Amino acid sequence: AQSVTQLGSHVSVSEGALVLLRCNYSSSVPPYLFWYVQYPNQGLQLLLKYTSAATLVKGINGFEAEFKKSETSFHLTKPSAHMSDAAEYFCAVSEGDNFNKFYFGSGTKLNVKP
Amino acid sequence: DAGVTQSPTHLIKTRGQQVTLRCSPKSGHDTVSWYQQALGQGPQFIFQYYEEEERQRGNFPDRFSGHQFPNYSSELNVNALLLGDSALYLCASSSSSGSPYFGPGTRLTVT
Repeated sequence: AQSVTQLGSHVSVSEGALVLLRCNYSSSVPPYLFWYVQYPNQGLQLLLKYTSAATLVKGINGFEAEFKKSETSFHLTKPSAHMSDAAEYFCAVSEGDNFNKFYFGSGTKLNVKP
Repeated sequence: DAGVTQSPTHLIKTRGQQVTLRCSPKSGHDTVSWYQQALGQGPQFIFQYYEEEERQRGNFPDRFSGHQFPNYSSELNVNALLLGDSALYLCASSSSSGSPYFGPGTRLTVT
C-alpha cells in the first residue's frame, strides 16, 4: 500500500532563504511521486513529478526535488524563497504508472516572511 | 483552453439532503477523478471514471456515487449528507498515462 508523510504542517522562512519541505513515502511498488501547490481558495497545481527517470527533478517556479530510494524521501527545495511562494504544498504518490489514484500527504503550509 | 472547470463554486446544504457536483475535464482528457479535501487535510481519492464507468474507488461509502457522460464530463452525487461531508471537492482530469490536472474545487458546507 502507498502512503505519504509530510513532516511539519507549517514551515516559515524569510524571503531569500532556502525552502525545504519534507516528504517521505511508503510504496509496495516503484513509486511515482509528485509535488502539488495549492494557493488559497484554489485547486492543486503540479510543481513537479518523479517517474523513474532522473532522481533530481526540476519543476516550475524554481522548485526541485530529489528522489532518494534509500531514505524513501522526496523532499522539495528552492534555493531562494519569494513572497509569492507562500501557499500549501502537498506531496503525493501514485498507485501505478497510469496515475489513476493518488495518495496525498496532509500538506505543509509555507509562510514567507519579508 | 479552459482547463478543468467545476460547478458550483460554493454550496450550502442541510443534513440529509442530496447534492450533485459537476466537472468538465480539460480538452483532450478522457478520465475524471474525484477527491475530497477536508479542512486541514490532504485530498482523499473518492473514485475515477473512464469510458463512462467507475474504474477505481477509494474508501468512501455508497452514499457517494458518480457518473461520466459521453463528452467525458462527470458528476459526483452525495446522498443523505452528513456534517462530516463538508469539504472541498476536487475534480481531476487526465489522459492515458498523463498527470492529472485539478480543477478549482467545489466547497460544500453541510449544516
